[in-house]
Amino acid sequence: QSALTQPPSASGSPGQSVTISCTGTSSDVGVYNYVSWYQQHPGKVPKLMIYEVNKRPSGVPDRFSGSKSGNTASLTVSGLQAEDEADYYCKSYADSDTFVFGGGTKLTVL
Amino acid sequence: EVQLVESGGGLVQPGGSLRLSCAASGFTFSSSWMHWVRQVPGKGPVWVSRINGDGSKTGYAGSVKGRFTISRDNAKNTLFLQMDSLRAEDTAVYYCTREDVPAGLDAWGQGALVTLSS
Repeated sequence: QSALTQPPSASGSPGQSVTISCTGTSSDVGVYNYVSWYQQHPGKVPKLMIYEVNKRPSGVPDRFSGSKSGNTASLTVSGLQAEDEADYYCKSYADSDTFVFGGGTKLTVL
Repeated sequence: EVQLVESGGGLVQPGGSLRLSCAASGFTFSSSWMHWVRQVPGKGPVWVSRINGDGSKTGYAGSVKGRFTISRDNAKNTLFLQMDSLRAEDTAVYYCTREDVPAGLDAWGQGALVTLSS
């Protein structure tokens, strides 16, 4: 199972919006609505930000939103804040009852 | 408060075995799907394995299938990962995680470092 494809980096200024893509295949993102997104700050464990494509766990700001079209899922962060600077990883359920993560995107707040 | 505490990591030679444990507290362990995820420092996480609440269903990444075995002891609120035939590429921090929402890992332990070296 190959890793989902994410851009290595993304950036935006405070207050702006940024969208991170996550491209899979017809064996994972394209057929299952079990895409989740994780935020990881340096030295910390990943934190769940979005599950089932577009649902937010309690406590996650509504500035974070998710969507999916075909084989590509997306995470949008609106109203960028300094504390949003982190690595972001997507994850999808896949065929053969497995899961696959993306390679990660480093989000920089300029 | 949900807590997941891994133990059992260490230095092992290629071809060797290691068993990781994860002590869970603060939630109904026997009702939760549990996963192991590993991460090489500086790299992205990689899904390893998962098990359902009563231990009757398991799944593995292709890279560890046949070498790793996930199990649980609900009486002791403990998750295990038996790792056999270890390879250099298994070197990573191994995290115990809980799936509380569909396919979403909402709680993570602090991780156990497994290092392969001859």
